[in-house]
Amino acid sequence: AQSVTQPDIHITVSEGASLELRCNYSYGATPYLFWYVQSPGQGLQLLLKYFSGDTLVQGIKGFEAEFKRSQSSFNLRKPSVHWSDAAEYFCAVNTGTASKLTFGTGTRLQVTL
Amino acid sequence: NAGVMQNPRHLVRRRGQEARLRCSPMKGHSHVYWYRQLPEEGLKFMVYLQKENIIDESGMPKERFSAEFPKEGPSILRIQQVVRGDSAAYFCASSATGSHEQYFGPGTRLTVT
Repeated sequence: AQSVTQPDIHITVSEGASLELRCNYSYGATPYLFWYVQSPGQGLQLLLKYFSGDTLVQGIKGFEAEFKRSQSSFNLRKPSVHWSDAAEYFCAVNTGTASKLTFGTGTRLQVTL
Repeated sequence: NAGVMQNPRHLVRRRGQEARLRCSPMKGHSHVYWYRQLPEEGLKFMVYLQKENIIDESGMPKERFSAEFPKEGPSILRIQQVVRGDSAAYFCASSATGSHEQYFGPGTRLTVT
């Protein structure tokens, strides 16, 4: 069965600083990888996804993520964080179409001004 | 194009009562997934349905929980004889046939008193 690990429970960065959120997955074949963002009391919004091809994928709100098969990682990055990026970020994996998502436990991002 | 809709957004039930959560998928989507988010945790898969069929219920508790997605109308997640441990946010997601992406609703926050 697939699994996802987000080793950082809570991260604090200053506005304007760069950001990297870590995600490691466990799955025997090529996974389908996603990053979602959840603001307090809200649902989940899809930031970006990786299925195949170019290992560096661009998403909304200036986010990008890089798939590294050798490290089983799919880390999320942003060059310059804005205060509005404060939220909880979830990495997720599924095994293909019509299959459940398996989520990591999330990383809560706090942005200081 | 309306997104995934869930109602109610907030639901308060006393122990022993029934909770009914509704989810209307995005237009054109025929796949519905239910997830539960306990406080300070990530999302856990519960059940995956297509119209009139339960495809995967591996994440559903064995007792008191049931789900349906009728030919007409929204998908319903039903929790009978609720207990305090059922207090959580319940999210519905939908996807189109042949798509890997799931789009989430705003969630229903269930509080059992």
